[in-house]
Amino acid sequence: QVQLHQWGAGLLKPSETLSLTCVVYNGSLSGYYWSWIRQTPGKGLEWIGDFNHSGDTDYNPSFKSRATISVDTSKNQFSLKLRSVTAADTAVYYCARGPEPDSLWGQGTLVTVSS
Amino acid sequence: QSVLTQPPSVSEAPSQRVTISCSGSRSNIGDNVVNWYQQFPGKAPKLVIYFDNLLPSGVSDRFSGSKSGNSASLAISGLQSEDEADYYCAAWDDSLNGPVFGGGTKLTVL
Repeated sequence: QVQLHQWGAGLLKPSETLSLTCVVYNGSLSGYYWSWIRQTPGKGLEWIGDFNHSGDTDYNPSFKSRATISVDTSKNQFSLKLRSVTAADTAVYYCARGPEPDSLWGQGTLVTVSS
Repeated sequence: QSVLTQPPSVSEAPSQRVTISCSGSRSNIGDNVVNWYQQFPGKAPKLVIYFDNLLPSGVSDRFSGSKSGNSASLAISGLQSEDEADYYCAAWDDSLNGPVFGGGTKLTVL
């Protein structure tokens, strides 16, 4: 069964770069779109951006200047970098597959930004 | 602060039926399909309804969805203690060119 497994640093200082990677086990990147979504107590679930099987990326304008999503098809994985983080970026970050009904989410990574 | 509006909490007794509402605008719910997710504490969201009213494989048929205009609803019948979770609505937003979510509704089975 297809699984998404994600990892990355969980504690950052302000101004550092958040870096997360999500690998797809027992499945392919092709034919789907792949997203990064975060969840905070204050703002709930927020879409950060995604890329599709054509390699096109889209970003939430709220993150566009700071976020980069990249893909490594040889490793069946994709990554998120979010630059210049602040305390407001403290959240649980999820990688996810779409569209529905093929929705599948990673286990989530808690990222805390604190000096 | 979420784009889609849900009640923070609902509660109902076991075996009863509960509905959770989700209100948006034409740019999201009005012109696009709605999906619903179930989330347990410390876990990732799981799809329970897609395309307004379709049931993913493996999801109980006690779950159903509906939509009218710029609003949607999730209904759960024959409530069980295992249904106690947070529920989120989601829809594509044409202005954002991406998905938007509700703030979540905590379901308590009394």
